Amino acid sequence: KAGVTQTPRYLIKTRGQQVTLSCSPISGHRSVSWYQQTPGQGLQFLFEYFSETQRNKGNFPGRFSGRQFSNSRSEMNVSTLELGDSALYLCASSLAYGGNQETQYFGPGTRLLVL
Amino acid sequence: EDQVTQSPEALRLQEGESSSLNCSYTVSGLRGLFWYRQDPGKGPEFLFTLYSAGEEKEKERLKATLTKKESFLHITAPKPEDSATYLCAVMDTGRRALTFGSGTRLQVQP
Repeated sequence: KAGVTQTPRYLIKTRGQQVTLSCSPISGHRSVSWYQQTPGQGLQFLFEYFSETQRNKGNFPGRFSGRQFSNSRSEMNVSTLELGDSALYLCASSLAYGGNQETQYFGPGTRLLVL
Repeated sequence: EDQVTQSPEALRLQEGESSSLNCSYTVSGLRGLFWYRQDPGKGPEFLFTLYSAGEEKEKERLKATLTKKESFLHITAPKPEDSATYLCAVMDTGRRALTFGSGTRLQVQP
């Protein structure tokens, strides 16, 4: 079974631009979560989508947004990029809610560099 | 607010030298505690989920245990390929989001 895939794997942008990252969950998984990983802050939760609805949101500014499609694929968007947005953005998928179905499996990440 | 503290920050072992990694946590209600392994430049790889105090899980040279305040990841007779950063995370009953610790960087020398 294929794992979580993320595209693109690497991105270089300049301050003020916007970026869209894509995530395809494991087949059959309906929940997708996004995390930001930086050397200083570690792994931090951005948001979670289930059945095309945002269910949870982390403590990030409104420049960070996302959506989920009917096939469970998800995208996240960052507008008006800042230097501090340089990070590894990780997508994780899980089956659903409840018990063992909540274990999150991570993709390889998208490395974003903002210049 | 959920908090996860991992110790030590870094650990260097000789091949075959067993040790334990610690994860202390504070949550209002534990939905699950998760262990992941992360290699440089890659996403975290799932290892274990623990749900209640007293639970233990094993996989090859790794064994995870859980109490009401902490979890341990025991590594028995490690090999160089076990070198990685080990991450602990908790999910509380109020929110489906993982709160991660800062990780333990493990280096196993041949």
